[in-house]
Amino acid sequence: KQEVTQIPAALSVPEGENLVLNCSFTDSAIYNLQWFRQDPGKGLTSLLLIQSSQREQTSGRLNASLDKSSGRSTLYIAASQPGDSATYLCAVPGANNLFFGTGTRLTVIP
Amino acid sequence: EPEVTQTPSHQVTQMGQEVILRCVPISNHLYFYWYRQILGQKVEFLVSFYNNEISEKSEIFDDQFSVERPDGSNFTLKIRSTKLEDSAMYFCASAETGALTNTEAFFGQGTRLTVV
Repeated sequence: KQEVTQIPAALSVPEGENLVLNCSFTDSAIYNLQWFRQDPGKGLTSLLLIQSSQREQTSGRLNASLDKSSGRSTLYIAASQPGDSATYLCAVPGANNLFFGTGTRLTVIP
Repeated sequence: EPEVTQTPSHQVTQMGQEVILRCVPISNHLYFYWYRQILGQKVEFLVSFYNNEISEKSEIFDDQFSVERPDGSNFTLKIRSTKLEDSAMYFCASAETGALTNTEAFFGQGTRLTVV
């Protein structure tokens, strides 16, 4: 069964810093990986979907990378802002469902 | 932009009561899912649904749970006799194609279920 882990569980950074969130998965036979944002008590907003054939995917200040062979993905956030404060989740697909990581709670301090 | 809509946003129910959580998936999507997130824990898969039948379910999805697509737009999750441990945020998701191998899943804002 696919296991998805995210480190660190929580991260606090001052505004303006660049930061990296990590996601690792045990079964490297994946087709894609999706990053989500979750605000407290709210739903899941899809940020980026990176296909297994891609190494990177960018959206604005966000850049996701995927290394299937090592079972890792990173989400890079450039020039962080207080509005980036949220929990970030990664998820990989199984046959008919997504396996989610435990999330990284990010706090950007003004 | 199309979105997945869930109602209600918050439901409080007494233990033993039946609840129905409602979802309106994105209109051209064919694959539908329910997930739940107990406070402070991972998002967990419950069930996937395609072509009017369940395609996969987890061990959480026992006989107390059922899903239905009663018409062309709604997708519901019913819990027959709620327990305290059913308290969680329930998310509905939809996708254009199946297997999630090359498509993005879109999630609703969730229904927070509190069983008292």
